Amino acid sequence: DQQVKQNSPSLSVQEGRISILNCDYTNSMFDYFLWYKKYPAEGPTFLISISSIKDKNEDGRFTVFLNKSAKHLSLHIVPSQPGDSAVYFCAASARGANSKLTFGKGITLSVRP
Amino acid sequence: DAGVIQSPRHEVTEMGQEVTLRCKPISGHNSLFWYRQTMMRGLELLIYFNNNVPIDDSGMPEDRFSAKMPNASFSTLKIQPSEPRDSAVYFCASRRTGGVTNEKLFFGSGTQLSVL
Repeated sequence: DQQVKQNSPSLSVQEGRISILNCDYTNSMFDYFLWYKKYPAEGPTFLISISSIKDKNEDGRFTVFLNKSAKHLSLHIVPSQPGDSAVYFCAASARGANSKLTFGKGITLSVRP
Repeated sequence: DAGVIQSPRHEVTEMGQEVTLRCKPISGHNSLFWYRQTMMRGLELLIYFNNNVPIDDSGMPEDRFSAKMPNASFSTLKIQPSEPRDSAVYFCASRRTGGVTNEKLFFGSGTQLSVL
């Protein structure tokens, strides 16, 4: 049973436009959410995170929005650049010293020049 | 900082053979995680350790899989005997756990395993 769902396997956008990557979760105990970015032949790298006490967190071109009532979060990339082309994983964890990160299946983003 | 180091980068083996994947976490990190990436299931957690102690191994597929962490700077994931369906990319990750919040995970470059 997937507790973190990324239902769209891929997304293609034009350079300069906005990319919106969506993620849904089912576990109401999750209170910390992260996005990881992965290039081919490399491990995932941390991109941005948000705590459940916030509904928005911004870092440069990247903004993550959290809607707790809908159990939904999204990553916005504005403006999109060809170098953003990668697989993006949504992840979530609950509070606690032994908490683990649960990942979604990932979304492949392609930014066309 | 050298980051999380995994070896080998690529492993090709025949069905039935034993496979051992290795991981060196970032110095000072006290939690270590083994993940497997496949197209069908994405990144799935196999097992994780806190302070060298296995905390949750519920993701380990079957008894053919085993993991050890004999000290804070080394971990192994072993598959014996290996099967073609074990073919995947295996990632090791580490972080500092404890305090008010847990810090983010740092991943190694992964081991691409192909079982023929």
